[in-house]
Amino acid sequence: EVQLVESGGGLVQPGGSLRLSCAAFGFTFRSYAMTWVRQAPGKGLEWVSAISGSGGSTYYADSVKGRFTISRDNSKNTLYLQMNSLRAEDTAVYYCAKDRVDSMVRGTFDYWGQGSPVTASS
Amino acid sequence: DIQMTQSPSSLSASVGDRVTITCRASQSISSYLNWYQQSPGEAPKLLIYAASSLQSGVPSRFSGSGSGTDFTLSISSLQPEDFATYYCQQSYSTLFTFGPGTKVDIK
Repeated sequence: EVQLVESGGGLVQPGGSLRLSCAAFGFTFRSYAMTWVRQAPGKGLEWVSAISGSGGSTYYADSVKGRFTISRDNSKNTLYLQMNSLRAEDTAVYYCAKDRVDSMVRGTFDYWGQGSPVTASS
Repeated sequence: DIQMTQSPSSLSASVGDRVTITCRASQSISSYLNWYQQSPGEAPKLLIYAASSLQSGVPSRFSGSGSGTDFTLSISSLQPEDFATYYCQQSYSTLFTFGPGTKVDIK
């Protein structure tokens, strides 16, 4: 059974940093691209970042480019999102999700984690 | 960036009703369109991919159609568990974008 478990969220002051992790179970992790999607309180879904199966290709939304870094450790079956220079508008639940097809970033997300809440506030 | 719009933003319906939600892209995205369902407090769930392909395990009362810029999600006979928010999402461009959502609640 595919399972994605996020961790690392919490309260951080604006300007601070946080690293989210997503542990993957039940599939060959290195064979699939992965993505982060966030949802601000009471709002819709916003795609944040994606990474290919090898980690060689990464993509970012304009709203986080230069501040967030996506990475993965295929030996640990874990996806990461390093978030620096956090702003109040980054406050959201962050979901990791698996790409449906293969190791290329194709943008169809068939399994999602339960979400990790991040609050940037003083 | 490709902008996605949905209509209506919300609707009220009864169990057994047929429901149709529309999604429009700001430019042609061929059939690179997905639909997700999100119940309160839960993660999104993939329903339809590539505009009309039913994800494994999803009931056949859900269907999708369209290509280019205009797409629809239909629920043939609304069930109690279908009261949720539905999002479309384009996967044509790697700057993936979601629609604003359509909330389906009980009449």
